[in-house]
Amino acid sequence: AQTVTQSQPEMSVQEAETVTLSCTYDTSESDYYLFWYKQPPSRQMILVIRQEAYKQQNATENRFSVNFQKAAKSFSLKISDSQLGDAAMYFCAYRSAANFGNEKLTFGTGTRLTIIP
Amino acid sequence: EAGVTQFPSHSVIEKGQTVTLRCDPISGHDNLYWYRRVMGKEIKFLLHFVKESKQDESGMPNNRFLAERTGGTYSTLKVQPAELEDSGVYFCASSQVRLTGNTIYFGEGSWLTVV
Repeated sequence: AQTVTQSQPEMSVQEAETVTLSCTYDTSESDYYLFWYKQPPSRQMILVIRQEAYKQQNATENRFSVNFQKAAKSFSLKISDSQLGDAAMYFCAYRSAANFGNEKLTFGTGTRLTIIP
Repeated sequence: EAGVTQFPSHSVIEKGQTVTLRCDPISGHDNLYWYRRVMGKEIKFLLHFVKESKQDESGMPNNRFLAERTGGTYSTLKVQPAELEDSGVYFCASSQVRLTGNTIYFGEGSWLTVV
């Protein structure tokens, strides 16, 4: 079974600075997807960024980028130029590519990110 | 376009009572998922519907939990009788059935407190 570990329950960063959230995972599969989801207080959880394991290039979405190290099974999220609206709970998630039609996600325990004005 | 909506947003019930959570997926989404997060722990998969059929219910904790999806539209998750350890946030998510590159959309969650 796959597991996802987020070792930082809480993180804080000064507005406009850069912060990196850590995520490691364990799997015996070679083909899979990794995700970072964000849940602001009392709001829907939304997808921040996704990475296909077969792609060597790290995914980027505006101020959000990942450092995907497949051999090390590490998938960290970097947020550049942090903004107040980035304050949220961030979840790292894994999905196997083996099961077509079933996007069952395995999540980590989450990291609560606080932005300091 | 309306997102995934869940009701109620918060519920406080006594141990032994029954609670029913409802999820309305995005229109046209055949995949519907239920997840649960017990405070401080990871979000765990409960079950997956494709239209009205249960595709995978391997995450359902026990037979006190009953999920249905009437006509392949909205879904309900009933907990009967509720126990203290059932407290947590119940998330619903939906997606279209596609080959690859699918995006899963989550609701805001239903917070359940059993006292």
